[in-house]
Amino acid sequence: AQSVTQPDIHITVSEGASLELRCNYSYGATPYLFWYVQSPGQGLQLLLKYFSGDTLVQGIKGFEAEFKRSQSSFNLRKPSVHWSDAAEYFCAASSGAGSYQLTFGKGTKLSVIP
Amino acid sequence: EAQVTQNPRYLITVTGKKLTVTCSQNMNHEYMSWYRQDPGLGLRQIYYSMNVEVTDKGDVPEGYKVSRKEKRNFPLILESPSPNQTSLYFCASSLSTTPEEKLFFGSGTQLSVL
Repeated sequence: AQSVTQPDIHITVSEGASLELRCNYSYGATPYLFWYVQSPGQGLQLLLKYFSGDTLVQGIKGFEAEFKRSQSSFNLRKPSVHWSDAAEYFCAASSGAGSYQLTFGKGTKLSVIP
Repeated sequence: EAQVTQNPRYLITVTGKKLTVTCSQNMNHEYMSWYRQDPGLGLRQIYYSMNVEVTDKGDVPEGYKVSRKEKRNFPLILESPSPNQTSLYFCASSLSTTPEEKLFFGSGTQLSVL
């Protein structure tokens, strides 16, 4: 079955430190991959997406993600975290074929220490 | 302002009392979808709609109904709510039905079924 796994439920980093959030997928073929962010009390906002081509994709708010086919991963990174980055982050995937159905991971909550 | 509007923001009801959560978008989007978010489970798709009068089940459709009589509205109906439907619900829309289009999310509806 198709699935998206985020191994880390909660991560705490210091402001200014680097960040990497992990995401692994299990799909028959390379899926379309997304990262969304959910600030407290808000809906989700798209950070970035990958369909094909360059495996390093840039997103909004200084985030980037790298697609690694050999590891079935699509990890999200940021070189220097700001306090406003504290939120919950969701990795998602779509098979890209037929109807548009997005499968979300269970999310990683990011806390930022001043 | 382009947005997805859900109402109500918070709702407390009792078992068996029919309710409707409304969702409206002002972007002329073709695709609309409902998700529920539960702690530790991430977002799970309930129903989606590819266009007017075209709806289909997502991963967790049991106990829910939807309709898409007009393009802008996609209400979620709980005919006989039960406590296990206590959850945070999100409506989302995108311009087209292809996965490349990003999803725009509403701010959510927190439902409690007593």
